[in-house]
Amino acid sequence: GNSVTQMEGPVTLSEEAFLTINCTYTATGYPSLFWYVQYPGEGLQLLLKATKADDKGSNKGFEATYRKETTSFHLEKGSVQVSDSAVYFCALEATGNQFYFGTGTSLTVIP
Amino acid sequence: EAGVAQSPRYKIIEKRQSVAFWCNPISGHATLYWYQQILGQGPKLLIQFQNNGVVDDSQLPKDRFSAERLKGVDSTLKIQPAKLEDSAVYLCASSGGTALDEQYFGPGTRLTVT
Repeated sequence: GNSVTQMEGPVTLSEEAFLTINCTYTATGYPSLFWYVQYPGEGLQLLLKATKADDKGSNKGFEATYRKETTSFHLEKGSVQVSDSAVYFCALEATGNQFYFGTGTSLTVIP
Repeated sequence: EAGVAQSPRYKIIEKRQSVAFWCNPISGHATLYWYQQILGQGPKLLIQFQNNGVVDDSQLPKDRFSAERLKGVDSTLKIQPAKLEDSAVYLCASSGGTALDEQYFGPGTRLTVT
């Protein structure tokens, strides 16, 4: 079956620290992979995506590389800001545009 | 471009009552999704429409949940009768246009069943 496993939170970092949020997946076929972000009081927003192996998605200083050999799509940012405080969801799209989400990782960045 | 609209934003009902949620997707988006997000968990797909046809409703508890998308635009999700475990945020999302794999989410409806 299809599933996504995310690193459990909450994660608390100081401003300018390096961020990694781990995500691994199980899927039949070749899914597309996504990171969504949910800022406090807002709906989920697409942060970045990768549609095939070795693709790197990037946006707002965040990056994630689609690693087929390790079935992973870890989210990284070199220097986090207070405004990055949010909940981050890893997701995959299986055939038929069906989406599976991880449980989310809460990030708090302190000044 | 207007985003995905949902109403109401909050609803409190007693168990065994019924409730309905409404969603208006982004104009022109053919695919519409309803998700249930229980506190501390990721969104779980309940039902997916392509235009006004159902693509996937395998995780919809059909004994109490129903959904429709008349004319392939707006959609309603109904729960009747509600149970305590239905307390969650109900998210509507749509996709279409040039990036079929990119979903746009509404703000959600927070349901509390007492």
